Amino acid sequence: DAGITQSPRHKVTETGTPVTLRCHQTENHRYMYWYRQDPGHGLRLIHYSYGVKDTDKGEVSDGYSVSRSKTEDFLLTLESATSSQTSVYFCAISERNRANTGELFFGEGSRLTVL
Amino acid sequence: SQQGEEDPQALSIQEGENATMNCSYKTSINNLQWYRQNSGRGLVHLILIRSNEREKHSGRLRVTLDTSKKSSSLLITASRAADTASYFCATDHNDYKLSFGAGTTVTVRA
Repeated sequence: DAGITQSPRHKVTETGTPVTLRCHQTENHRYMYWYRQDPGHGLRLIHYSYGVKDTDKGEVSDGYSVSRSKTEDFLLTLESATSSQTSVYFCAISERNRANTGELFFGEGSRLTVL
Repeated sequence: SQQGEEDPQALSIQEGENATMNCSYKTSINNLQWYRQNSGRGLVHLILIRSNEREKHSGRLRVTLDTSKKSSSLLITASRAADTASYFCATDHNDYKLSFGAGTTVTVRA
């Protein structure tokens, strides 16, 4: 299994509070992603990173920010959580070189409930 | 917006039968990938097919790609109870991001 750890795995918080989810990898992969999964929507990309301090928005980035200060860590922050951000959040990593063609390796997910 | 759309949304089959699910997408791709997700777990990569390939096999999995129709299919042969999961197609448009569909939920009955 790819070395990807998400924390926390479960969190319940209240509307208006800040929340940070952490993704840690031990694979030294260049690309890191945050997706959210909701019933009927599949996975939707929030933000992604293509290197240290290099990040870009995905299709559902409003209300979220990210940071990547080290290759191994990618943080997702909800500055002021809302009930619509109740979801399961997945971190994924990938690499593109001769041995890797961009397939994603996923973490086990972080279930966030905003009351 | 999501690129891949799977069909059907749900599929129930008897153990030993084949399961087929389809994926359609909107714009040209670099490759198309299929993933499996067991309940409460992360997604696991199954197979990747490049835009210049038409068919690919991996164990009991067979994937086809028709770029003229912008569609792909995933066939699981001789299904087992352990194949019960959700299956997602994901399209790579050569921009380092994958776009996922909503998935097909497969239930294999014993």
